[in-house]
Amino acid sequence: QKEVEQDPGPLSVPEGAIVSLNCTYSNSAFQYFMWYRQYSRKGPELLMYTYSSGNKEDGRFTAQVDKSSKYISLFIRDSQPSDSATYLCAMSGGVYGNNRLAFGKGNQVVVIP
Amino acid sequence: DVKVTQSSRYLVKRTGEKVFLECVQDMDHENMFWYRQDPGLGLRLIYFSYDVKMKEKGDIPEGYSVSREKKERFSLILESASTNQTSMYLCASSAGTSDEQYFGPGTRLTVT
Repeated sequence: QKEVEQDPGPLSVPEGAIVSLNCTYSNSAFQYFMWYRQYSRKGPELLMYTYSSGNKEDGRFTAQVDKSSKYISLFIRDSQPSDSATYLCAMSGGVYGNNRLAFGKGNQVVVIP
Repeated sequence: DVKVTQSSRYLVKRTGEKVFLECVQDMDHENMFWYRQDPGLGLRLIYFSYDVKMKEKGDIPEGYSVSREKKERFSLILESASTNQTSMYLCASSAGTSDEQYFGPGTRLTVT
């Protein structure tokens, strides 16, 4: 079992819809959870950063962490064509110390105008 | 804003050539990382460094080496390029004990 599982998609949604992305993980020592957005032919950019369980909201983006279920989610409200990108989850903590991150494989999202 | 730059966006090399990929960050970050990204495989860590002249192997170090002579610069070296090293190479940096990594734009390397 891989440490971080992320369904690669692709996921196509109409403009204005809610996009829901998630990752599951197996290492219960993970404490820090991130979402990166990567546009085609560009490097990933940090989108959201959360610590432990709970929700964090930033504009149209909401990150959720459920440590008891080892499950994290990213929601994008009122999706726009400019949200079309690949979204990668990442996490750290425990044996993944020294600032190393465990990444999901990424989920491609296409928002159709 | 953190700025991580990579020496080339696109690179084409021949099998057997020695290849240097350079990464520079301007935020005085202690930690620097080299990844490769392939379809279906995601991001895989090649090498990382916590300090000048320090290096640690990642998950796939075979066929690669690194150099960090200055804090802001981290180089990835392919000693003898092979076709299976055709990939997107991404450099990242992070501060001290922070987990937030900031990525460069990537270098798409093709080995023919």
